[in-house]
Amino acid sequence: DVKVTQSSRYLVKRTGEKVFLECVQDMDHENMFWYRQDPGLGLRLIYFSYDVKMKEKGDIPEGYSVSREKKERFSLILESASTNQTSMYLCASSLIRARLMNTEAFFGQGTRLTVV
Amino acid sequence: AQSVTQLDSQVPVFEEAPVELRCNYSSSVSVYLFWYVQYPNQGLQLLLKYLSGSTLVKGINGFEAEFNKSQTSFHLRKPSVHISDTAEYFCAVSEGSGGGADGLTFGKGTHLIIQP
Repeated sequence: DVKVTQSSRYLVKRTGEKVFLECVQDMDHENMFWYRQDPGLGLRLIYFSYDVKMKEKGDIPEGYSVSREKKERFSLILESASTNQTSMYLCASSLIRARLMNTEAFFGQGTRLTVV
Repeated sequence: AQSVTQLDSQVPVFEEAPVELRCNYSSSVSVYLFWYVQYPNQGLQLLLKYLSGSTLVKGINGFEAEFNKSQTSFHLRKPSVHISDTAEYFCAVSEGSGGGADGLTFGKGTHLIIQP
């Protein structure tokens, strides 16, 4: 079974703190993604990566950065947390489309971040 | 750019009744289409996907969906729902432009509420 593991289910951080959300996948997937989920807005793509040390901005990258030093690990960084970053954060991974026609994304359980 | 519209934010249905969750997409190129389900406090799980071939696709838990290119729709159906189907359902699209990792674009979700 593909497993995508997010390091924390729940986090509470203070405004201005630097926050790291970690994600690890065990299926040698090239692609990794970070989404945030908010009621009434669905899932919105923050950043994605299709290879080690490669990153691309998604739809809402402001206030976030990412790091992919190893293929299996993709970190989301909130440089200075703010209350409007309180949300559910979901990590996902998938094989590259060119390698196989299967572009299914596998998701972690999510991290519910509250910034106070 | 691709986009996804889920026309209903909430759908209440009686147990054992049929249900249809609507999804329309817009894209200038060929697409891959997905339905994901999210049970309370969990990540997203793939229900079914359309990549190519037959326009009627069957998924897990008795769900099926039909790809209609002329109407740019991918509606999800189940002939008889169970209380355990109560969840949030997300339609998603990925453009089939080959290569890369553009990520999935999600609709805002439909909350399926099963009433006894």
